[in-house]
Amino acid sequence: EDQVTQSPEALRLQEGESSSLNCSYTVSGLRGLFWYRQDPGKGPEFLFTLYSAGEEKEKERLKATLTKKESFLHITAPKPEDSATYLCAVASSGGYQKVTFGIGTKLQVIP
Amino acid sequence: EPEVTQTPSHQVTQMGQEVILRCVPISNHLYFYWYRQILGQKVEFLVSFYNNEISEKSEIFDDQFSVERPDGSNFTLKIRSTKLEDSAMYFCASSVGSNQPQHFGDGTRLSIL
Repeated sequence: EDQVTQSPEALRLQEGESSSLNCSYTVSGLRGLFWYRQDPGKGPEFLFTLYSAGEEKEKERLKATLTKKESFLHITAPKPEDSATYLCAVASSGGYQKVTFGIGTKLQVIP
Repeated sequence: EPEVTQTPSHQVTQMGQEVILRCVPISNHLYFYWYRQILGQKVEFLVSFYNNEISEKSEIFDDQFSVERPDGSNFTLKIRSTKLEDSAMYFCASSVGSNQPQHFGDGTRLSIL
């Protein structure tokens, strides 16, 4: 069974204080790893897809990286508007289109 | 930017009643999904739908659940006889291909009394 573990569960940063969120996964063949942002009362908003170890994607202050066992979401000089829950999800060769989500990391950026 | 839309945003239903949740996926997408998120828990996969049939479903998606694409734009989730434990946020998603990013709507909050 596919498993996704995210850490930490919650993170509080000062504005401008860079940090990283971790996503560890166990799958029977990775077809894709996805990062989403979820604001309270909203649906997950797509950020990045990573398909193979060594791949990196960047968007504004966010950078996602992938190894064979984990992914990191690096946040550089965060702003208060980056406050949200960040979700990691995997698609494996064991599932046709099913995506398995982690519990998420709730990020709070304080001005 | 095109988006997935879901209606209603909040549905309150008596236990045992039938409920239909509605979704309009992004127009050029071919794969459609339903997920649920119980308060404080993970987003959980329910079902995927492609070419007018279910392509995959989870153990949560039992005989009480059904999905339908009644026309070229809508995608629905029906729960025949709701239980208290069906209370959750239900998210619809769509993707252009089977291993492409899934784009989510803002959900329907289902409350069973």
